[in-house]
Amino acid sequence: EVQLVESGGNFVQPGRSLRLSCEVSGFIFGDYGMHWVRRAPGKGLEWVSGISWDSNSKAYVDSVKGRFTISRDNAKNSLYLQMNSLRLDDTAVYFCAKDLSAAGTRGFDYWGQGTLVSVSS
Amino acid sequence: QSVLTQPPSVSGTPGQRVTISCSGSNSNIGRNYVCWYRQLPGTAPKLLLYRNDQRPSGVPDRFSGSKSDTSGSLAISGLRSDDEADYYCAAWDDILASWVFGGGTKLTVL
Repeated sequence: EVQLVESGGNFVQPGRSLRLSCEVSGFIFGDYGMHWVRRAPGKGLEWVSGISWDSNSKAYVDSVKGRFTISRDNAKNSLYLQMNSLRLDDTAVYFCAKDLSAAGTRGFDYWGQGTLVSVSS
Repeated sequence: QSVLTQPPSVSGTPGQRVTISCSGSNSNIGRNYVCWYRQLPGTAPKLLLYRNDQRPSGVPDRFSGSKSDTSGSLAISGLRSDDEADYYCAAWDDILASWVFGGGTKLTVL
């Protein structure tokens, strides 16, 4: 059974940092691209970042470029999102998602349950 | 404002067929596949369709998809009360170099 379990969400003040983690099981993690997608309160889904199977390709939505860094450790079956200089509009539930392909370009077929990041002063 | 445009809401009665549209541009839907997701309140999104019209294992054939030029469409036939959810389209955008979602469509079963 495929499982993705996020952790690391918390309540933080603007300007602070958080590191999200996503531990997966039930598939060969190193064979697939992975993503972070968020949903802010009262809003729709927003793709945040993606990484290819070998970490050679990474992409970010414009609003987080320079502040967030995606990474993965295939030996630990884990995906990460380092979030720096957090802003009020980063408040959201963050989901990790598995891609259908190694490159990370085919869509998201499995999702975690999400972890809440709340940025407030 | 979302890069992909969906109607904010659609509704139907049990057994009816409804469609949800997703309008994009040449840089996203025009060149790449469309995916569709469903999200129930408080739960993780679920993949309904990929590559425009392909259903993952376990998704019933009541769900179908199509794509024409820069627009995609999701059709749900035999509407059921438990189909009430938010539905999202998504595609890779070659110019933005990012995945883009539609704003979401809330389906109400009357």
